[in-house]
Amino acid sequence: AQRVTQPEKLLSVFKGAPVELKCNYSYSGSPELFWYVQYSRQRLQLLLRHISRESIKGFTADLNKGETSFHLKKPFAQEEDSAMYYCARSSSGNTPLVFGKGTRLSVIA
Amino acid sequence: EAGVTQFPSHSVIEKGQTVTLRCDPISGHDNLYWYRRVMGKEIKFLLHFVKESKQDESGMPNNRFLAERTGGTYSTLKVQPAELEDSGVYFCASSQLGAGSYNEQFFGPGTRLTVL
Repeated sequence: AQRVTQPEKLLSVFKGAPVELKCNYSYSGSPELFWYVQYSRQRLQLLLRHISRESIKGFTADLNKGETSFHLKKPFAQEEDSAMYYCARSSSGNTPLVFGKGTRLSVIA
Repeated sequence: EAGVTQFPSHSVIEKGQTVTLRCDPISGHDNLYWYRRVMGKEIKFLLHFVKESKQDESGMPNNRFLAERTGGTYSTLKVQPAELEDSGVYFCASSQLGAGSYNEQFFGPGTRLTVL
């Protein structure tokens, strides 16, 4: 079965410190990997996906097929980054998403 | 554009009662998905509609759950009779239909269901 593992339930960092949210996935073909974010009182929204290889709000994520990982990184955390982050995968196209349990990021001023 | 909307935002019912959740996808989105997050667990897929047809309902927990999508527009998810373990947040998402690369799923705000 497809699985996505986020080992940390909660991650607290100081403002300006680097952030790394970990995500590992079970190997199965060539999955598409994503990071979704849910800010307080807002709906779940796509942050970035591995195919686009872009930086959004200073966040990047590199797909490491050897380690089956897709960790989310940001060099300098901001208070507004505090949110719930979900790593997710999809087989392709229109198939449903498989989510990890999520990591709550708290950036302390 | 209001985005994906869900109604109600919160529902509190007693065990054994019936509840119907509604989702209105973004206009023109043929894909409609239902997901659920039970307390302390991950967001899990329930089922997927393409227009009015059920493409994949492998995530539906049991036959107490019935989903419909009338005319390929809005969708309803009925739980009858509700049990305590059905409590959680039910999310709806929609996306455009297209072959090949991933079509971004846009999520609704969710319906928080509490079964007492």
